[in-house]
Amino acid sequence: RKEVEQDPGPFNVPEGATVAFNCTYSNSASQSFFWYRQDCRKEPKLLMSVYSSGNEDGRFTAQLNRASQYISLLIRDSKLSDSATYLCVVNQAGTALIFGKGTTLSVSS
Amino acid sequence: GAVVSQHPSWVICKSGTSVKIECRSLDFQATTMFWYRQFPKQSLMLMATSNEGSKATYEQGVEKDKFLINHASLTLSTLTVTSAHPEDSSFYICSASDGGLNTEAFFGQGTRLTVV
Repeated sequence: RKEVEQDPGPFNVPEGATVAFNCTYSNSASQSFFWYRQDCRKEPKLLMSVYSSGNEDGRFTAQLNRASQYISLLIRDSKLSDSATYLCVVNQAGTALIFGKGTTLSVSS
Repeated sequence: GAVVSQHPSWVICKSGTSVKIECRSLDFQATTMFWYRQFPKQSLMLMATSNEGSKATYEQGVEKDKFLINHASLTLSTLTVTSAHPEDSSFYICSASDGGLNTEAFFGQGTRLTVV
């Protein structure tokens, strides 16, 4: 079983749609959780950290379920500029980030 | 946020030559740097972890004699791809951490290596 699993997509949605991505992780000792965004041929950039209580940043909402070892990202009112690959990332203190394969989102007008 | 500078951003080299990639943390001390490789449509795969002043720890399947990593200071780590072959063509990217929990990892801009 892979350490971090995501549905690769692609998710093709129209502008204004709401889309949700899911991610599962296998290491129950994982301590930190993140969503990164990666544009084509660019380095990943942090989108948001994911906390147990859930957190929201504008149109983006992230949630963590430790019992099910599951992380989600919800994007509301999708914009064309949201088109990218979204990477689910977990780690333990002092260790490397473990990346999921990424979920590709394509928002069209 | 913190800045990590990676150089060069792209390089084309002949098969059999060596290529050095630099990763610098510009405004913080990176006790640990990580080197990743990403093939097209694949996730970032950790190659090795380097701690300042000690030997790098390589992931299974990564040849330490082929991918030489040096982390001589708290702000600089280098990855040298020795005797590069076309199958080494990939996107190489470093990230730096001060080792804390719940801290963002800061990435270099990545190096696109093409071996011809």
